[in-house]
Amino acid sequence: DVVMTQSPLSLPVTLGQPASISCRSSQSLVHSDGDTYLNWFQQRPGQSPRRLIYKASNRDSGVPDRFSGSGSGTDFTLKISRVEAEDVGVYYCMQGTHWPVTFGQGTKVEIK
Amino acid sequence: EVQLVESGGGLVQPGRSLRLSCTASGFTFGDYAMSWFRQAPGKGLEWVGFIRSKTYAGTTEYAASVKGRFTISRDDSKSIAYLQMNSLKTEDTAVYYCSRGLRFPDYWGQGTLVTVSS
Repeated sequence: DVVMTQSPLSLPVTLGQPASISCRSSQSLVHSDGDTYLNWFQQRPGQSPRRLIYKASNRDSGVPDRFSGSGSGTDFTLKISRVEAEDVGVYYCMQGTHWPVTFGQGTKVEIK
Repeated sequence: EVQLVESGGGLVQPGRSLRLSCTASGFTFGDYAMSWFRQAPGKGLEWVGFIRSKTYAGTTEYAASVKGRFTISRDDSKSIAYLQMNSLKTEDTAVYYCSRGLRFPDYWGQGTLVTVSS
């Protein structure tokens, strides 16, 4: 199985400051069809997961543009340009290139 | 508006069975694969399995932890995906989510809690 490793696992951030989460995979996430199926999800407390980014860098409709995804191959990053109070929650990367689908451990974002 | 609503969760004894339903609306259900995920209390997300659309023969794939015990099916006429869970174990206790899609699931339901305990 592809192992997804996120860092850090806990991220205290000051409101208005940037935040960055790393996600590394144990194998390349480039599919034979040419796409890279790396997704980012946000899970606010008590809520179900919400997809923010798909195929590494495509932001979902309705997702604030302060969220951005980048990376390729085995190394990916989710960035929040200026953290707001509503961004508190756990963020997961997920790969859908190889079966079984696997997730990172999650990064808990909290306000300092 | 796309909506997914899971139902059927509850308290069940080890070794028993339970069937979850995922009722979809707001899109052409038969055109999409559907996935199931779960999240144990205080833990991360885990993929359970998926079912492809009829275009791709409605084939299924499962996580090793549930293979042989869980079965995913679909009724496109009712826009419902099912997760049949047999021989339940205490470690199957989790919130179960359905979602639309395989490699980059977009919409998720609110989840239904399954508690396996004697």
